[in-house]
This record gives sequence, structure tokens and C-alpha cells, in this order.
Amino acid sequence: EVKLVESGGGLVQPGESLRLSCAASGFIFSGYSMNWVRQAPGRGLEWLSYISTRSRVLYNADSVKGRFTISRDNADNSLSLQMRSLRDEDTAVYYCAREGEDGGLDYWGQGTLVTVSS
Amino acid sequence: QLVLTQSPSASASLGASVKLTCTLSSGHSSYTIAWLQQQPERGPRYLMNLNSDGSHNRGDGIPDRFSGSGSGTERYLTISSLQSDDEAEYYCQTWGTGTYVVFGGGTKLTVL
Repeated sequence: EVKLVESGGGLVQPGESLRLSCAASGFIFSGYSMNWVRQAPGRGLEWLSYISTRSRVLYNADSVKGRFTISRDNADNSLSLQMRSLRDEDTAVYYCAREGEDGGLDYWGQGTLVTVSS
Repeated sequence: QLVLTQSPSASASLGASVKLTCTLSSGHSSYTIAWLQQQPERGPRYLMNLNSDGSHNRGDGIPDRFSGSGSGTERYLTISSLQSDDEAEYYCQTWGTGTYVVFGGGTKLTVL
């Protein structure tokens, strides 16, 4: 069974940093590209970052470029998102999602909540 | 610019069928999309990939009550024999250069 489990969310103050993790199991992690997606309260889905299988290709949304860094450890079957200079508007549930062979995001975690507030 | 447009809301009766629409921006009629379902307080769930010719591949465990079709820049998700737990937000998603992954704004489906 494919499973993605996010962790690392919490309450932080504006300007602080946070690192999210996503533990993957039930599939050959190194064979799939991965993404981070977030959802602010009451809002739709917003794509944040993409990483290819061997970390050679990275994409970031303009909204987080220069502040968020995606990475992966294929030996540990894990995906990370390092978030810096957090703002109030970064408050959201953060999901990791696997990119399927056809390009759709075919498996998602349950999400981890990040709250940025003073 | 690659944009997906969805109506904000839709409704249909229990046991009936409903057809949701996702419209690709002009010039992107060949793009494949994915349909996702998000039930309240849950993470999104992949329903299917939908190609421009209407062919589609459902995700693991997705019943054949969920089907896809397409015409030009429009992609459709049809849900038949509506059940109460089909009440959810439905998103379309695609991918391309530039902004790598794009989501539609979502359609909130109410089952009456």
C-alpha cells in the first residue's frame, strides 16, 4: 500500500524557519518525482515545489522561490521542504504528493498544518 | 499561460448523475489533466488521468461510477449513481513548463 506521511508542522512566528518531512512507503520511492502542495484555510490547492527522481530537476512556484527548498533522500525514502522567512500567508496544510507515470499527482499524504502567527 | 477554470459549485440529487467541467486555457487543448477529489477534512484523492481524446485511467480503487470525457479545451468528470460521500470538492490538475503543476480552483459538489 502506497503511503505518504507528512510531519514537522506547527506554530511559528513570522520570519522563522521550519522543515517539513514526508515519509514514503509501499512503492519504489527513487522511481518517482515528488511535489509539495499546500492549502490555505478555506482555499484551493496551491502547488509549491517539484523534485525529479535523482534531484537533478527542481521547480518552485514564484510565491516561494528563494524561501522554500525541496529535497529528497532516496536511501531514506523521504522528502523534505525547508521553509525560511515564513509569513502569515504561508499558513496552510502542507501535502506531499507523488507524481504518477502519466503526470497526475496520484498519491497524497494526509497533510501537516503550518501556522505562522505572532 | 496555462490556466484551468472550474465552476465554483454544482449540485445533484442522490442516485442521479452529475457532469463537472474543467476548461483549459486557449492553446492547450492537447493537455492531459487529472481529476482529484477532496472530501471534507481530508487530503486529496486521485480519481483519474484524462487525455484530450477522452481516454482515461482511473486510480487504484476508484469505482467505474467515475468517468471522464473531453471536447476541445474542456474536460469532464461524470459521476453516476451519486452517493452521499461523493459530496466533496473536485479539482482538476495539469502540468507543463513554467509553472510546473497547475490546479483549477475546484468545484464544490453538493449531493441533495
